[in-house]
Amino acid sequence: DAGVTQSPTHLIKTRGQQVTLRCSPKSGHDTVSWYQQALGQGPQFIFQYYEEEERQRGNFPDRFSGHQFPNYSSELNVNALLLGDSALYLCASTLGGDNEQFFGPGTRLTVL
Amino acid sequence: QKEVEQDPGPLSVPEGAIVSLNCTYSNSAFQYFMWYRQYSRKGPELLMYTYSSGNKEDGRFTAQVDKSSKYISLFIRDSQPSDSATYLCAMSNWGKLQFGAGTQVVVTP
Repeated sequence: DAGVTQSPTHLIKTRGQQVTLRCSPKSGHDTVSWYQQALGQGPQFIFQYYEEEERQRGNFPDRFSGHQFPNYSSELNVNALLLGDSALYLCASTLGGDNEQFFGPGTRLTVL
Repeated sequence: QKEVEQDPGPLSVPEGAIVSLNCTYSNSAFQYFMWYRQYSRKGPELLMYTYSSGNKEDGRFTAQVDKSSKYISLFIRDSQPSDSATYLCAMSNWGKLQFGAGTQVVVTP
């Protein structure tokens, strides 16, 4: 049973650049959520996608955008990167928006 | 005031001891409560998932929820060095998870 997968594992960017992170949900899941986890903090909710639509959004600026594809995989895009965007970006999947969410290993983004 | 409060630790216990973790919250709309384990630089792993008040046991893990006090707990019996990790509480009303800051646990041999 394939779990949640994310790519890439690590990424280094400079301020002002744009980045795209990718996520494939656990087999059988159709809902994907993205979280940002700063060092020493709990994950913070960015947004959730279901049926290719953004269903919920956390308190993040419009620089953070996403997409969900017909196969339920998802992308997180961040434009105009800031130093403060350096964090572990986590993808979580579930079925139908259920609260029991399973996380991937994350993508560690470093902005220089 | 944060919606979910969790003591960051570190909490150090000897091998075989009971680990006791807890979180408090302020939003009475939360209905679902979870505990995740996160090893360094890895993604969180779901340990326990509960709905509403009461106890739930799974192997060495017991989760308790007291909605009247807005307080949840996780107990780990017969702790092992492999239990050394950060433990995150999380709660939700619908879909969006709200996390505590995580408690670092160190189990010493």
